[in-house]
Amino acid sequence: ELKVEQNPLFLSMQEGKNYTIYCNYSTTSDRLYWYRQDPGKSLESLFVLLSNGAVKQEGRLMASLDTKARLSTLHITAAVHDLSATYFCAVENNDMRFGAGTRLTVKP
Amino acid sequence: DTEVTQTPKHLVMGMTNKKSLKCEQHMGHRAMYWYKQKAKKPPELMFVYSYEKLSINESVPSRFSPECPNSSLLNLHLHALQPEDSALYLCASSQVASGNTIYFGEGSWLTVV
Repeated sequence: ELKVEQNPLFLSMQEGKNYTIYCNYSTTSDRLYWYRQDPGKSLESLFVLLSNGAVKQEGRLMASLDTKARLSTLHITAAVHDLSATYFCAVENNDMRFGAGTRLTVKP
Repeated sequence: DTEVTQTPKHLVMGMTNKKSLKCEQHMGHRAMYWYKQKAKKPPELMFVYSYEKLSINESVPSRFSPECPNSSLLNLHLHALQPEDSALYLCASSQVASGNTIYFGEGSWLTVV
């Protein structure tokens, strides 16, 4: 059974700092997704990673995929308050499994 | 237009009621999904429809009954629910059921009393 593990589950960081969220998964897959969810809201698609070595960047967020290590990272550069949200990775292997989510709080 | 529309946004129902959640997309997507999300938990896949056929049913109790009347519409019929079924129900769609961005609707908040 596919298992998806995210860490950390909670992240409190200062504005301007950098940090990385990790997403490990247990079975072979080359399809990985990152989503953002604000409290009381739905999920917003951030990145779709479809091959080993894929790297995508949007603003202060950059996602990468290493299918051999079964690892994806979401790197946050110079965090700002607006990035406060819960971030989910999801891995596709016959169906879609979500990680537990990382609740990010960016403090001034 | 990358929009998945869900109605109602909020629903309160008794355990003996029958109600339905509705979802619509006009992006020409051929895969549609129902997810259930409890508070502070990740979404859990319930059903996948691919080309209007049910392709995945994640061992969901029969009190939840999905229906895909056409390629743009997806319903979730609810009957004899339990209080523990209270959750956010998310509809989503993608071009096809693999390797594509999945777009989520705003969700339907369901409370079973």
